[in-house]
Amino acid sequence: LAKTTQPISMDSYEGQEVNITCSHNNIATNDYITWYQQFPSQGPRFIIQGYKTKVTNEVASLFIPADRKSSTLSLPRVSLSDTAVYYCLVEAAGNKLTFGGGTRVLVKP
Amino acid sequence: DTEVTQTPKHLVMGMTNKKSLKCEQHMGHRAMYWYKQKAKKPPELMFVYSYEKLSINESVPSRFSPECPNSSLLNLHLHALQPEDSALYLCASSQVEGGGAKNIQYFGAGTRLSVL
Repeated sequence: LAKTTQPISMDSYEGQEVNITCSHNNIATNDYITWYQQFPSQGPRFIIQGYKTKVTNEVASLFIPADRKSSTLSLPRVSLSDTAVYYCLVEAAGNKLTFGGGTRVLVKP
Repeated sequence: DTEVTQTPKHLVMGMTNKKSLKCEQHMGHRAMYWYKQKAKKPPELMFVYSYEKLSINESVPSRFSPECPNSSLLNLHLHALQPEDSALYLCASSQVEGGGAKNIQYFGAGTRLSVL
């Protein structure tokens, strides 16, 4: 059975880099790994997506090792407004879309 | 425009009521999704529509009935719900279904449902 796991929570301080790793041991061969951010009482918001190696956009980087059984979201120089829950989303073999359990990131001043 | 609009934002209903949740997108997306999210939990996939046809039903009880009248609209009809069905119901859309590069899902803000 597909299992997508993330750390439950993570604290950081303004200006630091935050790295969140998601383990997805049964990812489908052709599937992309997508990360979302969710604030209270809002829907998840797309952050970044990748298939392998490294992807970078204006808000984050995504590192994916060759075996693709995990991925690491990197948020550079976080601010208070980055306090949120972060989810990875993969499609497991069998076409089941599965969110990770979510990582609550608290950014302190 | 990357907006997915859900109505109503809040809904309180009794166990004998019939109500509907609505979702609309005008991005030309051909896949639409319903998720259920309980407090402090990740969204759980309920249904997927692809090109207006039901593609995935994740063994959801029949008191939840989805409908896709056209490519822009998605409804979730509710009947005889239980208190444990109280949750945030999220709608999402993507260009196509599946886990590929075009499957970036855009989510609405959700409907907060309370069943009394």
